[in-house]
Amino acid sequence: ETGVTQTPRHLVMGMTNKKSLKCEQHLGHNAMYWYKQSAKKPLELMFVYNFKEQTENNSVPSRFSPECPNSSHLFLHLHTLQPEDSALYLCASSPLGQGAGGYTFGSGTRLTVV
Amino acid sequence: DQQVKQNSPSLSVQEGRISILNCDYTNSMFDYFLWYKKYPAEGPTFLISISSIKDKNEDGRFTVFLNKSAKHLSLHIVPSQPGDSAVYFCAASEYNNNDMRFGAGTRLTVKP
Repeated sequence: ETGVTQTPRHLVMGMTNKKSLKCEQHLGHNAMYWYKQSAKKPLELMFVYNFKEQTENNSVPSRFSPECPNSSHLFLHLHTLQPEDSALYLCASSPLGQGAGGYTFGSGTRLTVV
Repeated sequence: DQQVKQNSPSLSVQEGRISILNCDYTNSMFDYFLWYKKYPAEGPTFLISISSIKDKNEDGRFTVFLNKSAKHLSLHIVPSQPGDSAVYFCAASEYNNNDMRFGAGTRLTVKP
Protein backbone atom coordinates (compact mmCIF):
# COMPACT_ATOMS: atom_id res chain seq x y z
CA GLU A 1 0.00 0.00 0.00
CA THR A 2 1.33 3.37 -1.02
CA GLY A 3 -0.96 5.46 1.17
CA VAL A 4 -3.18 6.35 -1.79
CA THR A 5 -6.15 4.02 -2.09
CA GLN A 6 -8.30 3.77 -5.19
CA THR A 7 -11.61 1.96 -5.48
CA PRO A 8 -12.80 0.01 -7.29
CA ARG A 9 -9.75 -1.75 -8.75
CA HIS A 10 -11.74 -2.88 -11.77
CA LEU A 11 -14.90 -1.48 -13.33
CA VAL A 12 -16.90 -2.54 -16.37
CA MET A 13 -19.64 -0.17 -17.40
CA GLY A 14 -22.00 0.36 -20.28
CA MET A 15 -22.04 3.57 -22.25
CA THR A 16 -25.27 4.70 -20.60
CA ASN A 17 -24.17 3.98 -17.04
CA LYS A 18 -23.11 6.44 -14.36
CA LYS A 19 -20.32 5.41 -12.02
CA SER A 20 -17.75 7.03 -9.78
CA LEU A 21 -14.12 6.34 -9.05
CA LYS A 22 -12.84 7.08 -5.57
CA CYS A 23 -9.41 8.06 -4.32
CA GLU A 24 -8.38 8.51 -0.71
CA GLN A 25 -5.09 9.53 0.86
CA HIS A 26 -4.09 10.10 4.46
CA LEU A 27 -0.56 11.25 3.80
CA GLY A 28 -1.28 14.85 4.67
CA HIS A 29 -0.86 15.88 1.05
CA ASN A 30 -2.63 18.98 -0.23
CA ALA A 31 -2.60 18.29 -3.95
CA MET A 32 -4.43 15.49 -5.71
CA TYR A 33 -4.48 14.44 -9.35
CA TRP A 34 -6.27 12.25 -11.84
CA TYR A 35 -4.20 10.65 -14.61
CA LYS A 36 -5.32 8.45 -17.48
CA GLN A 37 -3.10 5.69 -18.82
CA SER A 38 -4.06 4.24 -22.18
CA ALA A 39 -2.11 1.47 -23.84
CA LYS A 40 1.18 2.67 -25.38
CA LYS A 41 0.41 6.30 -24.56
CA PRO A 42 1.91 8.66 -22.01
CA LEU A 43 0.21 9.13 -18.71
CA GLU A 44 -2.21 11.96 -19.37
CA LEU A 45 -2.86 14.50 -16.67
CA MET A 46 -6.60 15.08 -16.41
CA PHE A 47 -7.26 17.18 -13.32
CA VAL A 48 -5.29 18.85 -10.55
CA TYR A 49 -6.65 19.94 -7.19
CA ASN A 50 -4.71 22.10 -4.76
CA PHE A 51 -6.31 22.54 -1.35
CA LYS A 52 -9.61 21.24 -2.77
CA GLU A 53 -9.59 23.81 -5.56
CA GLN A 54 -9.35 22.65 -9.14
CA THR A 55 -6.37 24.33 -10.70
CA GLU A 56 -6.10 22.44 -13.94
CA ASN A 57 -8.42 20.77 -16.41
CA ASN A 58 -6.50 19.47 -19.37
CA SER A 59 -9.28 19.73 -21.94
CA VAL A 60 -11.02 16.72 -20.51
CA PRO A 61 -14.49 15.95 -21.95
CA SER A 62 -17.40 16.84 -19.72
CA ARG A 63 -18.39 13.18 -19.40
CA PHE A 64 -15.62 13.12 -16.77
CA SER A 65 -16.52 15.19 -13.73
CA PRO A 66 -14.10 15.47 -10.80
CA GLU A 67 -15.05 16.24 -7.23
CA CYS A 68 -12.77 17.03 -4.31
CA PRO A 69 -14.79 17.43 -1.10
CA ASN A 70 -11.66 17.71 1.05
CA SER A 71 -7.92 17.38 0.65
CA SER A 72 -8.05 13.64 1.48
CA HIS A 73 -10.67 12.53 -1.01
CA LEU A 74 -11.02 12.80 -4.75
CA PHE A 75 -13.72 11.42 -6.99
CA LEU A 76 -14.10 11.04 -10.71
CA HIS A 77 -17.72 10.83 -11.80
CA LEU A 78 -18.30 9.08 -15.10
CA HIS A 79 -21.33 9.24 -17.38
CA THR A 80 -22.10 8.36 -20.99
CA LEU A 81 -18.57 7.18 -21.59
CA GLN A 82 -17.24 5.88 -24.89
CA PRO A 83 -15.32 2.65 -25.51
CA GLU A 84 -12.15 4.70 -26.14
CA ASP A 85 -12.35 5.88 -22.53
CA SER A 86 -11.34 2.39 -21.45
CA ALA A 87 -8.03 2.82 -19.65
CA LEU A 88 -6.27 2.70 -16.32
CA TYR A 89 -7.20 5.72 -14.22
CA LEU A 90 -4.59 6.67 -11.68
CA CYS A 91 -4.96 8.96 -8.72
CA ALA A 92 -1.93 10.63 -7.16
CA SER A 93 -1.26 13.04 -4.34
CA SER A 94 1.66 15.22 -3.35
CA PRO A 95 2.66 17.86 -0.86
CA LEU A 96 1.93 21.20 -2.41
CA GLY A 97 4.95 22.88 -3.95
CA GLN A 98 7.29 19.98 -3.31
CA GLY A 99 7.98 19.30 -6.92
CA ALA A 100 7.00 16.28 -8.87
CA GLY A 101 9.12 13.85 -6.86
CA GLY A 102 6.61 13.96 -4.09
CA TYR A 103 3.87 12.23 -6.11
CA THR A 104 2.41 9.11 -4.59
CA PHE A 105 0.23 7.07 -6.90
CA GLY A 106 -2.59 4.71 -6.14
CA SER A 107 -2.84 1.33 -7.84
CA GLY A 108 -5.40 2.60 -10.30
CA THR A 109 -8.86 1.63 -11.50
CA ARG A 110 -8.95 -0.47 -14.66
CA LEU A 111 -12.02 0.82 -16.52
CA THR A 112 -13.62 -1.01 -19.39
CA VAL A 113 -16.46 0.66 -21.28
CA VAL A 114 -18.63 -1.75 -23.24
CA ASP B 1 1.40 17.86 -27.60
CA GLN B 2 3.71 15.20 -26.28
CA GLN B 3 6.35 17.10 -24.34
CA VAL B 4 8.10 14.03 -22.97
CA LYS B 5 8.99 11.20 -25.29
CA GLN B 6 10.28 7.72 -24.73
CA ASN B 7 10.90 6.36 -28.18
CA SER B 8 11.68 2.79 -27.20
CA PRO B 9 8.54 0.95 -26.10
CA SER B 10 10.56 -2.04 -24.92
CA LEU B 11 14.07 -3.10 -23.96
CA SER B 12 15.44 -6.53 -23.16
CA VAL B 13 18.76 -7.09 -21.41
CA GLN B 14 20.59 -9.98 -19.80
CA GLU B 15 20.88 -10.15 -16.05
CA GLY B 16 24.07 -8.49 -14.84
CA ARG B 17 24.38 -6.22 -17.86
CA ILE B 18 23.59 -2.52 -18.07
CA SER B 19 20.11 -1.26 -18.94
CA ILE B 20 19.90 2.18 -20.54
CA LEU B 21 16.52 3.82 -20.87
CA ASN B 22 16.23 7.05 -22.80
CA CYS B 23 13.93 10.03 -22.66
CA ASP B 24 13.66 13.27 -24.63
CA TYR B 25 11.73 16.41 -23.82
CA THR B 26 10.73 19.48 -25.76
CA ASN B 27 9.77 22.04 -23.14
CA SER B 28 12.81 24.13 -22.19
CA MET B 29 10.99 25.30 -19.06
CA PHE B 30 11.23 21.84 -17.51
CA ASP B 31 13.83 21.83 -14.78
CA TYR B 32 12.96 18.77 -12.76
CA PHE B 33 13.06 15.25 -14.13
CA LEU B 34 12.07 11.93 -12.67
CA TRP B 35 11.89 8.26 -13.38
CA TYR B 36 9.02 6.14 -12.15
CA LYS B 37 8.80 2.38 -12.15
CA LYS B 38 5.55 0.52 -12.61
CA TYR B 39 4.79 -3.13 -11.99
CA PRO B 40 1.58 -4.71 -13.36
CA ALA B 41 -1.53 -4.00 -11.27
CA GLU B 42 0.30 -1.31 -9.30
CA GLY B 43 0.62 2.44 -9.65
CA PRO B 44 3.94 4.04 -10.65
CA THR B 45 6.45 4.45 -7.85
CA PHE B 46 9.10 7.11 -7.72
CA LEU B 47 12.59 5.82 -8.51
CA ILE B 48 15.04 8.68 -8.93
CA SER B 49 15.05 12.34 -9.88
CA ILE B 50 17.39 15.05 -11.06
CA SER B 51 17.14 18.81 -11.17
CA SER B 52 18.50 20.89 -13.99
CA ILE B 53 21.37 22.20 -11.91
CA LYS B 54 22.94 18.75 -12.06
CA ASP B 55 23.91 16.47 -14.89
CA LYS B 56 24.08 13.26 -12.91
CA ASN B 57 22.40 11.72 -9.90
CA GLU B 58 23.22 8.30 -8.55
CA ASP B 59 21.33 6.07 -6.16
CA GLY B 60 22.74 2.58 -5.77
CA ARG B 61 22.38 0.71 -9.05
CA PHE B 62 20.42 3.55 -10.62
CA THR B 63 21.97 6.62 -12.24
CA VAL B 64 20.16 9.34 -14.13
CA PHE B 65 22.04 11.53 -16.59
CA LEU B 66 20.75 14.85 -17.87
CA ASN B 67 21.92 16.59 -21.03
CA LYS B 68 20.14 19.93 -21.00
CA SER B 69 21.48 21.15 -24.32
CA ALA B 70 20.14 18.03 -26.03
CA LYS B 71 16.98 17.96 -23.88
CA HIS B 72 17.75 14.35 -23.16
CA LEU B 73 17.96 12.22 -20.08
CA SER B 74 18.74 8.61 -19.51
CA LEU B 75 18.44 6.06 -16.74
CA HIS B 76 21.22 3.54 -16.28
CA ILE B 77 20.69 0.41 -14.23
CA VAL B 78 23.77 -1.61 -13.50
CA PRO B 79 23.89 -4.46 -12.86
CA SER B 80 20.39 -5.25 -14.09
CA GLN B 81 18.38 -7.79 -12.10
CA PRO B 82 15.27 -9.77 -13.06
CA GLY B 83 13.32 -7.85 -10.40
CA ASP B 84 13.99 -4.68 -12.38
CA SER B 85 11.61 -5.93 -15.07
CA ALA B 86 8.85 -3.32 -15.17
CA VAL B 87 7.63 -0.34 -17.17
CA TYR B 88 9.75 2.77 -16.62
CA PHE B 89 8.20 6.20 -17.08
CA CYS B 90 10.16 9.36 -17.59
CA ALA B 91 8.51 12.53 -16.24
CA ALA B 92 9.30 16.22 -16.24
CA SER B 93 7.98 19.39 -14.69
CA GLU B 94 8.93 22.85 -13.66
CA TYR B 95 10.03 22.60 -10.04
CA ASN B 96 7.26 23.48 -7.58
CA ASN B 97 4.77 23.12 -10.38
CA ASN B 98 2.16 20.41 -9.98
CA ASP B 99 1.84 19.83 -13.72
CA MET B 100 4.02 16.78 -14.33
CA ARG B 101 4.27 15.35 -17.85
CA PHE B 102 5.00 11.71 -18.52
CA GLY B 103 6.43 9.75 -21.40
CA ALA B 104 4.70 6.66 -22.77
CA GLY B 105 6.96 4.31 -20.86
CA THR B 106 9.55 1.69 -21.75
CA ARG B 107 8.99 -1.93 -20.78
CA LEU B 108 12.24 -3.37 -19.47
CA THR B 109 12.70 -7.12 -19.38
CA VAL B 110 15.76 -8.47 -17.60
CA LYS B 111 16.41 -12.08 -18.54
CA PRO B 112 18.03 -14.45 -16.03
